[in-house]
Amino acid sequence: SQKIEQNSEALNIQEGKTATLTCNYTNYSPAYLQWYRQDPGRGPVFLLLIRENEKEKRKERLKVTFDTTLKQSLFHITASQPADSATYLCALDISTSGTYKYIFGTGTRLKVLA
Amino acid sequence: SQTIHQWPATLVQPVGSPLSLECTVEGTSNPNLYWYRQAAGRGLQLLFYSVGIGQISSEVPQNLSASRPQDRQFILSSKKLLLSDSGFYLCAWGTTETQYFGPGTRLLVL
Repeated sequence: SQKIEQNSEALNIQEGKTATLTCNYTNYSPAYLQWYRQDPGRGPVFLLLIRENEKEKRKERLKVTFDTTLKQSLFHITASQPADSATYLCALDISTSGTYKYIFGTGTRLKVLA
Repeated sequence: SQTIHQWPATLVQPVGSPLSLECTVEGTSNPNLYWYRQAAGRGLQLLFYSVGIGQISSEVPQNLSASRPQDRQFILSSKKLLLSDSGFYLCAWGTTETQYFGPGTRLLVL
């Protein structure tokens, strides 16, 4: 079965530094991978999508890489701010036959210290 | 723009009682709809998804059921709640490339 892993330990970094979160998966070849942000008690919010034929995607201070050989995606937040503190989830596309389905990781909790 | 509503926001129910959680979507037609559960310290678990009225697919055998009586309405139900049904329930609608989540319902079964 598909398995997706994120570092379950919380990540604490100093304001202004770059945060790097990891998402590893096995037993699947997704067409794309997504990253979401989730604040406590709220639903996840979509941030970025990267396709299997893309190595890197950027959006403002966010950067995502996708290595289909390593089966790994890295999520970077540059010039991090306390407001970036949240849990970040990665999700794999496991769609079949025109039905859009995703499997989510457990998320990594990021805390940016002022 | 699209909006997704869920209610209630929080719910405390005794074991063995029934459950009905409702989700409605505005601003889109014929959406793919999803129910997820998020237990403490765990990832989002897909429970049900629907591609149209009356069409429900179950992902995990469990004590819950889902229905889609209208195009933009998705209901999660149980006849008798178990302690293990506690969690954060999220409704979402999805496109080919992303999912949009509702605010969630926090369910505590005592």
